[in-house]
Order: sequence, then structure tokens, then C-alpha cells
Amino acid sequence: DTAVSQTPKYLVTQMGNDKSIKCEQNLGHDTMYWYKQDSKKFLKIMFSYNNKELIINETVPNRFSPKSPDKAHLNLHINSLELGDSAVYFCASSQENPANYGYTFGSGTRLTVV
Amino acid sequence: SQKIEQNSEALNIQEGKTATLTCNYTNYSPAYLQWYRQDPGRGPVFLLLIRENEKEKRKERLKVTFDTTLKQSLFHITASQPADSATYLCALLSYNTDKLIFGTGTRLQVFP
Repeated sequence: DTAVSQTPKYLVTQMGNDKSIKCEQNLGHDTMYWYKQDSKKFLKIMFSYNNKELIINETVPNRFSPKSPDKAHLNLHINSLELGDSAVYFCASSQENPANYGYTFGSGTRLTVV
Repeated sequence: SQKIEQNSEALNIQEGKTATLTCNYTNYSPAYLQWYRQDPGRGPVFLLLIRENEKEKRKERLKVTFDTTLKQSLFHITASQPADSATYLCALLSYNTDKLIFGTGTRLQVFP
């Protein structure tokens, strides 16, 4: 019954590999996001999609590519992983007007690049 | 430069007291400000929102104030309990951007 679910929860991989993180929301929200939380717990937005359309694309290396096959899914693919990519990645969703309800976050994917 | 700052040091208080957390921002024109709670290993959970034209909002034991002159929001938890121990994040959405920008969070520890 999870509202925003991400898989996998943990991901350990070697430098240079390509990996994907999947996210699904069953809330009927129109907008989905990817945030990165670094070791200092700072949450930084990476991407935002509204109804499968990219609306926010922060200064993120182009090794990171989001894909939204439908409005309930937003996946994150990362090419040529680097040590600095190690972080916790959170998917979130919101209604078109998040003013009253805020964002709903998944429980995160802890990516460790070795 | 734009900043959202919260006390980086942990706040330790005794059960039953009121916890007050601070969020200061510079070079933003926020349309509204939100507060979230984050537990270890979990994603942030939305608690409260306050709009720029509102001074105060309450929800059960939580109270948020917003002073656009001081560029500051205060988050209060009254009659705090050990279960309130978590990291609390403020976040704001500016008029000139669609992005919800988060502060660095303050860790609250309530001890019995």
C-alpha cells in the first residue's frame, strides 16, 4: 500500500558501471521528482516531471538521465558511475498544486559506488 | 547568494518542554514554506505549510510562524516527547521558481 515506492533500497556497485533506480507512485499525482541527499543530509533537487514531461533539470551531469514512461513512474538511470555519486536518492511526488499537501517522498535508495 | 539555513547543531531538550527550531533564508521570495520530519533511513514526511501572507499555523502540538520581514520561520513542538526525536527540514518554494528548496535540517533529540 506504499504511496511512493523506490527500488532498490540499497545499491552497491563499482565505478564505471551503469545502474537504474525505479520509482512508482500510486497517489494519482501529476508531478514527480528526484532529489539527492548527500552525506551532510542536504537534499537537492535533480529533476522534476509533470505528466511525463521534464520541467526541472538542475545542473546535474548528463550521466544522469530520468525517464518517465507514464505519470506514475519516474526512473533514474546513471551511466559511468563515479565515487561522488554515492548518496541517498529520493523520489517524490506531488499534486499539481502542492501548496496544501506537500511532497510525498519514497524511503530512498542508498547508492554506494566503490 | 541564495541560502536556507537551519541550526546545524542538534537540539537536545527534555521531555515535556517546547522545542523551537529556526529556519532563515536569504535572497528568496517564498510563496510558501513547508516543514518536514525525517527519521533515519526514511524519506522526509510533510508536516505543515505556511503561506507568505500567514503569520502562524497550528496542527495539534505543532506551530509554525513565518516572518517575511525577518526572513525567518520558527517551528515549535509543545509538550515534546521522545518520539518527536528526528531531523526537521524546512523547505520553501519561491515565486520565481517551481523548485522546492530544502534547508540543511536540524536534528532534535528529546530525552526523558
